[in-house]
Amino acid sequence: EVQLVESGGGLVQPGRSLRLSCAASGFTFHDYAMHWVRQVPGKGLEWVSGINWSGDVAYADSVKGRFTISRDNDKNFLYLQMNSLRADDTALYYCAKDGPGRDTFNWPDPWGQGTLVTVSS
Amino acid sequence: DIQMTQSPSSLSASIGDRVTITCRASQGISNYLAWFQQKPGKAPKSLIYAASSLQIGVPSRFSGSGSGTDFTLTISSLQPEDFATYYCQQYNTYPLTFGGGTKVEIK
Repeated sequence: EVQLVESGGGLVQPGRSLRLSCAASGFTFHDYAMHWVRQVPGKGLEWVSGINWSGDVAYADSVKGRFTISRDNDKNFLYLQMNSLRADDTALYYCAKDGPGRDTFNWPDPWGQGTLVTVSS
Repeated sequence: DIQMTQSPSSLSASIGDRVTITCRASQGISNYLAWFQQKPGKAPKSLIYAASSLQIGVPSRFSGSGSGTDFTLTISSLQPEDFATYYCQQYNTYPLTFGGGTKVEIK
């Protein structure tokens, strides 16, 4: 069974940094692209970033230049380094495996339970 | 970026009703469309990919159709466990984008 467990969320001041982690198990991690998707509580879903098996990445315009996605295929971990955080980055951040994909980004499936990031002074 | 517009944003329906949710893309995305279901306090769950392909384990009362810019998710006979929020998502072009969601409530 696929398991994705996010960690690293918390309360952070505007302009500061935070690193999210996602521990993956139950599948061959290096064979799949991975995603970060966020959701403001009570609001809709926003795709944040994706990374394929070989390290090619893509970002939403809202985080480009501030967030960096990475992965450790030996440790089965996905990361999201978030710099220059803003109040509108406040959200529940989900880690997700790509449905079928190794090279391309398709639909996220399944998802972890999320880690909450609150950006506030 | 491709904008995904869902309608309605919410609807009220009764058990046994047929429910249809629409999703429109701001430009053609072929059939690169997925549908998700999200229940309160839970992560989204994938229902349909490639516009009309049902994920394993998803009940057959769910179906998807469409291609290009216009898509629909249909629940043929609404069940109690189907009350949730539904999202469409395009994966034709990066960045991936989601629709705003449709909340299905009990009438």
